[in-house]
Amino acid sequence: QVQLKESGPGLVKPSETLSLTCTVSDYSVSSTYYWAWIRQAPGKGLEWIGSMHHSGTNYYNPSLMSRVTISVDTSRNQFSLQLTSVIAADTAVYFCARGVVRGVPGGFDSWGRGTLVTVSS
Amino acid sequence: QSVLTQPPSASGTPGGQRVTISCSGSTSNVGRNNVNWYQHLPGTAPKLLIFRNNQRPSGVPNRFSGSKSGTSASLAISGLQSEDEADYYCASWDDSLNGWVFGGGTKVTVL
Repeated sequence: QVQLKESGPGLVKPSETLSLTCTVSDYSVSSTYYWAWIRQAPGKGLEWIGSMHHSGTNYYNPSLMSRVTISVDTSRNQFSLQLTSVIAADTAVYFCARGVVRGVPGGFDSWGRGTLVTVSS
Repeated sequence: QSVLTQPPSASGTPGGQRVTISCSGSTSNVGRNNVNWYQHLPGTAPKLLIFRNNQRPSGVPNRFSGSKSGTSASLAISGLQSEDEADYYCASWDDSLNGWVFGGGTKVTVL
């Protein structure tokens, strides 16, 4: 049973970079799946940030693309999120998840429990 | 403003009438791609409930069912139970955005 766990700072200052890591257990990030970040702002719904394959193929939310980088570290079996120039609206619970992309049956079938990141000075 | 449109709330009594949640999209997402549904209890990891419009992952009770027609999809919960009180989200790939889009979520209350 694959397990995912998010880690990183819970507080980030405005204009700085948000960095989170997702550690994957009992499953290799070098598999055929994509590894994704999804967030939920307070009182709001889920928002897909982006998905990355270990081969380097990635897809990003167009509204965040200019500020987002997702990377996969096969040696540590982890993947990471970097979101630059954060603002208060980036305050959210950030989830990491295992998933697929267009044309492949399935969705995000395994998720971490999420980590709250607050953007504040 | 979410790309996929869901009603903000739905409710039902335990074991009562079926609860149905709609998900409205467009030809760039629901109309040409699969719809997945997620159940989310605040403070926990979201759970994949339905994939490929109407398929249940192993372990999901058969009281949950999904359907899709044109640019709309639906999730139905029959025999509502207290543990079904949660937020439900639809999602689909959007070919114009080249990424996943979610609905705004529907809060299901068990009366």
